[in-house]
Amino acid sequence: AQSVAQPEDQVNVAEGNPLTVKCTYSVSGNPYLFWYVQYPNRGLQFLLKYITGDNLVKGSYGFEAEFNKSQTSFHLKKPSALVSDSALYFCAVRDSGNTGFQKLVFGTGTRLLVSP
Amino acid sequence: NAGVTQTPKFQVLKTGQSMTLQCAQDMNHNSMYWYRQDPGMGLRLIYYSASEGTTDKGEVPNGYNVSRLNKREFSLRLESAAPSQTSVYFCASREQGINEQFFGPGTRLTVL
Repeated sequence: AQSVAQPEDQVNVAEGNPLTVKCTYSVSGNPYLFWYVQYPNRGLQFLLKYITGDNLVKGSYGFEAEFNKSQTSFHLKKPSALVSDSALYFCAVRDSGNTGFQKLVFGTGTRLLVSP
Repeated sequence: NAGVTQTPKFQVLKTGQSMTLQCAQDMNHNSMYWYRQDPGMGLRLIYYSASEGTTDKGEVPNGYNVSRLNKREFSLRLESAAPSQTSVYFCASREQGINEQFFGPGTRLTVL
């Protein structure tokens, strides 16, 4: 079965500094990977996805993610953090299972706290 | 264009009561999903619907039933609520292809 792991429950970073939120994956076949963000009391919002092609994927709000096949990682990055980036971030992988229907398997989430 | 809407936003039930969570999407998506979110566990899939008229169990279906009423609406029913079903419930929909899911704002359910 497909799975993702987010090894950090929380990441703390000062505003203006670069941030990284880590994600590693385990899949059979080609990995299709996603990042979502959840602000307090809101639903999840899509940030970016990797399907194929360039290993550096650019997404919403200045976020990008680096796909690394040899390390089976898909880390989320941003060059300069904002206080407003403070939120809960989820990594997810597509799982087609036995039916071929696309489902997402989510990591447990990483809370990002950006201090002023 | 409202996207994915869910009602109610909040609900408190007593053990054994029943209720239905409503979800609707206006993006003409075929696929719809129900998740629950619990602290430290991420999102877990309860049921999904690949298209109108079809539904299938996800990772944690016990205690729930669903109905895909039409292409727009996908409801989740708790027949006899239990405290273990206290959670935040999210509905999502997706377009064909390897595309992202769009999420509703969630329903916060407490079962006493």
